[in-house]
Formats: sequence, structure tokens, C-alpha cells
Amino acid sequence: DSGVTQTPKHLITATGQRVTLRCSPRSGDLSVYWYQQSLDQGLQFLIQYYNGEERAKGNILERFSAQQFPDLHSELNLSSLELGDSALYFCASSVVPAATEAFFGQGTRLTVV
Amino acid sequence: QKEVEQDPGPLSVPEGAIVSLNCTYSNSAFQYFMWYRQYSRKGPELLMYTYSSGNKEDGRFTAQVDKSSKYISLFIRDSQPSDSATYLCAMGGGVNRDDKIIFGKGTRLHILP
Repeated sequence: DSGVTQTPKHLITATGQRVTLRCSPRSGDLSVYWYQQSLDQGLQFLIQYYNGEERAKGNILERFSAQQFPDLHSELNLSSLELGDSALYFCASSVVPAATEAFFGQGTRLTVV
Repeated sequence: QKEVEQDPGPLSVPEGAIVSLNCTYSNSAFQYFMWYRQYSRKGPELLMYTYSSGNKEDGRFTAQVDKSSKYISLFIRDSQPSDSATYLCAMGGGVNRDDKIIFGKGTRLHILP
């Protein structure tokens, strides 16, 4: 168990809908990362937060947004969902922003039908 | 050219063999290098972390970094069926000390009993 908790584990929703994925980092970790994993693209970095502030941005679509709250948990919001958004979404956390050791949650499997 | 290239496999080897997994990268600014192991439907788990060039050993695992060739390797000695998983290389600390961690697509490894 990495100590990173993601909910829900599975999510099935229809195209055009909006969902929120939640991540609780390991105790003491200030930095949270979001990744999308699909079969053909591998692990794609979406966005990183450190202590509530956006730190780095990757290939995150405009339909997606995230935030990190004062209690350090993070949420990834996905809107206007398309079939191609079906993937595993992982959250990772680390103590410091320049993460040399990032610990991953078990992921949320999103299926858009 | 992709930032990180990794042969997707699958790679099948008999139990007890030495396994060699490799990645190449294009960004010479990367400073730290990691190997993650991912079992099916689970989150990636950090195996090894190295900073800059050189070797690092941890039990049956040895990580090598050759920054001059932009090439990293993971060796697994005395491979076991429980080592069957997808292995992802990752690297970070790129241009401007970017905090992003970039992953390879992963190599699927099968250890045959």
C-alpha cells in the first residue's frame, strides 16, 4: 500500500458528462501529480500541484481541470467527456516538487460509453 | 522524436535468467532516473531511483545510467515469476529544473517458470 488513496476505483459514465476524481496524498506529502494511462499512450503527465499551487502542466486538455485543497487532497475534474477519455487516471504524491520518489495510488478506471 | 523511448515488449525469459530492460531519452537536461514496476490493474510502484550517471544496486536489481549516451538500463538477476509485470522507466529534472516526471510506455516482462 503506497499510502495514496484514490476514489472511486471505477467509474462508468456517458459521453458529454462531467466527473470528479479524488486523490488523498500520503501523509506529509505536499506535491500531487495526475497522470492518464491508456494502452496506446502509456502514462501521460497531466498536471502537478504543490501545497495548493499549480506547479507544472503537461498534456492536459482544456476540458480537464484540477485543484489541490488546503488539506492537500486533490481533485481532477473531467468535463464534456468523450469516448477517448476512457483510461486509467493515476494520482501520485511526493514530499517535494522535484519528485525523485513519487508514490502512486491504485488509480481510477474511467469508462465513457 | 519522443522524449523517452522504451521497447514495449513483451519480453519472455525463463526463470533464473538475467533480464535487461532499457530506455533511451532525448532531453540531456534530465537529472534523475527511475524505474517503476506495474502489475496489471495496479498503480506503478517505485523500484529504483538514481541521480545522474552511474550504477545503483538493490538486491536483485541494478540500475545503470549513461548520460553521455542518453541510455538507462535495469537489470534483474535470478528472475522470478513474481517479477512478471510491466516495467516503466521515468525521468525528470529537465530544462529549467522542470518538475515533470516523464515516463516511457513500459516493457511487458514475462518470466516463464
